[in-house]
Amino acid sequence: EAQVTQNPRYLITVTGKKLTVTCSQNMNHEYMSWYRQDPGLGLRQIYYSMNVEVTDKGDVPEGYKVSRKEKRNFPLILESPSPNQTSLYFCASSAKVEQPQHFGDGTRLSIL
Amino acid sequence: GDSVTQMEGPVTLSEEAFLTINCTYTATGYPSLFWYVQYPGEGLQLLLKATKADDKGSNKGFEATYRKETTSFHLEKGSVQVSDSAVYFCARRLRGSTLGRLYFGRGTQLTVWP
Repeated sequence: EAQVTQNPRYLITVTGKKLTVTCSQNMNHEYMSWYRQDPGLGLRQIYYSMNVEVTDKGDVPEGYKVSRKEKRNFPLILESPSPNQTSLYFCASSAKVEQPQHFGDGTRLSIL
Repeated sequence: GDSVTQMEGPVTLSEEAFLTINCTYTATGYPSLFWYVQYPGEGLQLLLKATKADDKGSNKGFEATYRKETTSFHLEKGSVQVSDSAVYFCARRLRGSTLGRLYFGRGTQLTVWP
C-alpha cells in the first residue's frame, strides 16, 4: 500500500532533549516536505526537499533540521526542542514537486 | 507578501444545504491552486486543483474555479452531506524558483448536521 509513514505518532518530552521524527515513503517520490499545524494558523511549511541531498527552508525553519540522504526518508530533527515547538507535524511527498502531495497521519509533539 | 486568505470558520450547515468557502490569494505570477481536506484524526488529502486561469477543479461534488480577475478559488458544493464534515484548506504554489513552497490558508472547519 502506498503511504507516508511518520514515527512516532505521539511524543511528550522535555525542553532541550534532542528528538527526531522520522518520515518514510514507499512511492519513490522525489519531493518531500514537513509542515506544522497550529490552531488558527493552518499549515506552515518547515523544510522541503526536491530530491536526494537537496533541501530548502520553508516559512518556519528556525529550530529544525532535516536531511535527505536517501530518497525514501526525510527525518525532522529538533536539536534543542522548546515549548513553542509543541504542535502537530505532517510529512508529505509527491512524485514531482508540481504534483499533489500525499500526507502522513501526523505526529503530535508536546514539549514541556 | 504572498498569502492565501480563507473565510473564517466554523461553518455549520444542515444536510443538503449549499456550501461556499471563500478563498483569495495574493501572489505575483500565476500560482497553481488547491483545496485539501482533513478529516478528523487524519492527514490532509487533495480534494481538487487548478493550474491556470479559468480552470475548474472538481471532485466528490465539490467544485472550484480559478478566477484570475478576482484572485479567487472559492470552494462550492450544491448539497452537503454529514460525511463532508472536515477542515478544508486552500493552498497555492508559485512557479519558478519557489516551486517547492506550498502556502496554506488557515483552514475552515465545516460541520454538517443531519
